Formats: sequence, structure tokens, C-alpha cells
Amino acid sequence: GQNIDQPTEMTATEGAIVQINCTYQTSGFNGLFWYQQHAGEAPTFLSYNVLDGLEEKGRFSSFLSRSKGYSYLLLKELQMKDSASYLCVHVEGNYGQNFVFGPGTRLSVLP
Amino acid sequence: DSGVTQTPKHLITATGQRVTLRCSPRSGDLSVYWYQQSLDQGLQFLIQYYNGEERAKGNILERFSAQQFPDLHSELNLSSLELGDSALYFCASSGSGQPTNEKLFFGSGTQLSVL
Repeated sequence: GQNIDQPTEMTATEGAIVQINCTYQTSGFNGLFWYQQHAGEAPTFLSYNVLDGLEEKGRFSSFLSRSKGYSYLLLKELQMKDSASYLCVHVEGNYGQNFVFGPGTRLSVLP
Repeated sequence: DSGVTQTPKHLITATGQRVTLRCSPRSGDLSVYWYQQSLDQGLQFLIQYYNGEERAKGNILERFSAQQFPDLHSELNLSSLELGDSALYFCASSGSGQPTNEKLFFGSGTQLSVL
């Protein structure tokens, strides 16, 4: 499997911008996902990167550098409902279906 | 609604017992994945099936087994249950098995409590 590193917890203020970093060991790379998970609920898809660069989707953006084994999720105009865990997910394997989940970053958005 | 259905939502049982968790993937999805999430822990991959066949195996205990049926629904069997098996068990599905842009769609999970 792959080692995926993310900060355990982050705190930010409503309306602010926060960047959640993720590093992974590169091999058999087939893409990198970010998922959001509210406590006790199922993870939901946020973004997907397979090529280097920035993917923007509304208030959320995700960046990937394959050579550095590095990605980040950028959340703008934070809202209270953004308080959740954010999971960095590396896809590897011959069939590209081995989804390796990072430990998650628990984000708390304060008023 | 992700389109992935898991039953039951909650399950309370005793140590030593056996339970079966059920998952119906999204319509058209061929792959089913099972994950275990203990309290305040990350998602641990258990096993994956693709079109009825086991494709990948993660940290699944020998007391646990799974299968995917011809109609593509899947069952996860947990036997000789221990207190430490208490967790949220998620099923997820994805589509054709192509390596690019394969999102996982998660069911709402089964909360297992072993007393």
C-alpha cells in the first residue's frame, strides 16, 4: 500500500480560506481523489486529479503535482457546514481500482 | 442519494455471533468495495469484487468473508464477533473498472455494535 500523509486536524474561521495538504508515495499512480465525510456519514466525492495542475469546482479546488507526490484541497469562503473530515485518496493498481484512503483531516470551522 | 443501498442501517449483536451485511451497488456498477471505519479512525479497505469475482483484498480478517452475487449485490459476513469489530461498515461501488476517473459512491453504512 501507499503511505498517505495529511494533517490530523485544522481549524479555520467562517469566510476564510483553508488549504489541506496531502503527500503520498508515488508508484502505479492512477489518480488522486478528495472526499468529504461528515461524522457518522458516508464519504462524498469532491474532486479528482489525474494530471498536474489545478482543478476548480466552485468553492473547492484541488491541485496535484505527480512528480512531488503532493496534492492539496483548497476551500474558499468557508461555511460552518464545511466542518468535516477531508480524505485524500490515492488510486493505484493494475486495474486502477485500488483506492487507498489517507487518515483524513478533521476541519473545524468556527464562527 | 448515492444510489448504493446498504442494509441494515444498525445492527446490535453479542460477541461470538455471526452477522451478514448487504449491499446493492448503483445501477450499472460492476465493482463493490467494503470498508471498515472504527470510531475516529480512517477507512480501512477490506475487500473488492468486480462482476462477481474477488479482485483485491485488504486488511480483512479470516473471520470475515464476502461475496458478490450474479445480480451484483454483495454480502459481507462477519463471524465469531468480538468487541473490537464494532464499527461502521461501508460499501461502495464504481463502474466499468477502467483505471481513470473511477469515482467511488458510498452507501450510508451499517453501524455494527457488538456487546
